[in-house]
Amino acid sequence: DAGVTQSPTHLIKTRGQQVTLRCSPKSGHDTVSWYQQALGQGPQFIFQYYEEEERQRGNFPDRFSGHQFPNYSSELNVNALLLGDSALYLCASSSLGWTSGRRYEQFFGPGTRLTVL
Amino acid sequence: RKEVEQDPGPFNVPEGATVAFNCTYSNSASQSFFWYRQDCRKEPKLLMSVYSSGNEDGRFTAQLNRASQYISLLIRDSKLSDSATYLCEASGGYNKLIFGAGTRLAVHP
Repeated sequence: DAGVTQSPTHLIKTRGQQVTLRCSPKSGHDTVSWYQQALGQGPQFIFQYYEEEERQRGNFPDRFSGHQFPNYSSELNVNALLLGDSALYLCASSSLGWTSGRRYEQFFGPGTRLTVL
Repeated sequence: RKEVEQDPGPFNVPEGATVAFNCTYSNSASQSFFWYRQDCRKEPKLLMSVYSSGNEDGRFTAQLNRASQYISLLIRDSKLSDSATYLCEASGGYNKLIFGAGTRLAVHP
């Protein structure tokens, strides 16, 4: 059973460029969340997709957008890249819903390390 | 004030020691709590969920104190392989999946 996969693993871009990151969820999962993790920080929630719609969004500007496809895979797009966008971008998948009053656990992919020069 | 706060450490402990981490959260509506382990330059891996009744998995014990709004992680008989950063997550249902900045643990021989 494949876990969460992400591509590419590393990416180098220059300021002002645009980037697209990809994520395939764990088999059986229908929800994908994206996080940004800067060095020495915890993951910061960007947004969550379920049924091809953005369900929740963190405090990120509109330069960050995403998409979920019918097969539950997802893309994260970042426009007009800034130096501060350099980070590890993590995708996590889970099943939307609750069991016994608790959210289902989410599982992370290996991440895409984005460097903006 | 950050919504989820952790002592950044590092906690330097010898093998065999018992070490405890705390994580405080500010949103009283938080309903789901988890501990993750993250190795250097790797993704976080789920360590354990945290329940009000507390839960134990081998050498690891997690506790939730809703009244004081903190969760804890206790590691007994520390191993060298436990060296990592430990992240806590406190979330309000589907919303606001909030992580702490992590606590670094270094276990030495």
